[in-house]
Amino acid sequence: DVKVTQSSRYLVKRTGEKVFLECVQDMDHENMFWYRQDPGLGLRLIYFSYDVKMKEKGDIPEGYSVSREKKERFSLILESASTNQTSMYLCASSPPGSRGLQQPQHFGDGTRLSIL
Amino acid sequence: GNSVTQMEGPVTLSEEAFLTINCTYTATGYPSLFWYVQYPGEGLQLLLKATKADDKGSNKGFEATYRKETTSFHLEKGSVQVSDSAVYFCALRSNFGNEKLTFGTGTRLTIIP
Repeated sequence: DVKVTQSSRYLVKRTGEKVFLECVQDMDHENMFWYRQDPGLGLRLIYFSYDVKMKEKGDIPEGYSVSREKKERFSLILESASTNQTSMYLCASSPPGSRGLQQPQHFGDGTRLSIL
Repeated sequence: GNSVTQMEGPVTLSEEAFLTINCTYTATGYPSLFWYVQYPGEGLQLLLKATKADDKGSNKGFEATYRKETTSFHLEKGSVQVSDSAVYFCALRSNFGNEKLTFGTGTRLTIIP
């Protein structure tokens, strides 16, 4: 089974801090994704990466950046955390290309981040 | 652009009731369609999928049929259990360009004994 591991289940940080959320997958997937989940809004894509050192903006990238130095690890960075970034953050991975069209994204258990 | 509209919740049913959660989509071409489920305190898990028109996805007693004529992918189960209580997300992936998933807003389902 694919395993996507997010480093923290719960995290509390203060406004203005730089926050790192880490995600590791063990299936050699090329694609990795960061979403945030908010009530009534569903999941919204922040950033995704289809290869090492490659990244693309999703639907709501403002206030976030990402890093993909190794294939298995995809980090989400809040450069200067704000209270409106309090949310559940979900990481996912999937295979690429034609294989990816037939296969789903696999999700981690999420990190519930509170910014005080 | 792509979009997914699903039935707003919350939905509360008695055990053994019939379940339908509606999902319609807007997309160019022929997207792949998915239902994901999120149990309390967990991430999303794939429940079922369909990749072309008239395909039926099924898993754990749940079914959904890819209806291109009505652009729908409604989730159904004939007899729900308390353990089905969760949030259900409909999603699509376009067959053009990248691997992005577009999600609906989610439907919270509660089954009472």
